[in-house]
Amino acid sequence: AQSVAQPEDQVNVAEGNPLTVKCTYSVSGNPYLFWYVQYPNRGLQFLLKYITGDNLVKGSYGFEAEFNKSQTSFHLKKPSALVSDSALYFCAVRDEGMDSNYQLIWGAGTKLIIKP
Amino acid sequence: DAMVIQNPRYQVTQFGKPVTLSCSQTLNHNVMYWYQQKSSQAPKLLFHYYDKDFNNEADTPDNFQSRRPNTSFCFLDIRSPGLGDAAMYLCATSSVLADEQYFGPGTRLTVT
Repeated sequence: AQSVAQPEDQVNVAEGNPLTVKCTYSVSGNPYLFWYVQYPNRGLQFLLKYITGDNLVKGSYGFEAEFNKSQTSFHLKKPSALVSDSALYFCAVRDEGMDSNYQLIWGAGTKLIIKP
Repeated sequence: DAMVIQNPRYQVTQFGKPVTLSCSQTLNHNVMYWYQQKSSQAPKLLFHYYDKDFNNEADTPDNFQSRRPNTSFCFLDIRSPGLGDAAMYLCATSSVLADEQYFGPGTRLTVT
């Protein structure tokens, strides 16, 4: 079965420290992977995606993510956290092999809190 | 700036009273999606349009309908809102199916 796991409901990081938000997935075909961020009472914003190519993907606001096929992971990272990064982060995957290939499978979300 | 616009941002309706939420886009994207999101949970896809082709998710209640009169606009109609339909409704677009999606700010629906 296709699935996405974000094992941490909440991640707390001090401002200026590196941050990691974890995501693992399970699909039958090749994964297309996405990260979205949601600020309070707002819609989701696309951060970055992995389709093919370089395993390290750079996105908006200084975020990056590394695709690891052997560990089926796509963790979101940032070298130095800002208080303004505090938000809800969603990982999503599309299975290239799915019949309904438009359908995104969403993780449950991770609340990121950056403390000054 | 190209964007996805949702109106209204906040909507209050009475139990059983039909309500329509609207979405417009200036991105000229082929695909438009409607999602329901409750309490910071993952968004749940209700349906999508690829151009004029409508695709309803299997578990979307019949109470929810959608219209896309042209490329730019898409509407979500809730025929008889129940208390359980109170949620944030998100519209999104993408240039092709399953490419990255661009979301509007959402409409928060309250049912009294």
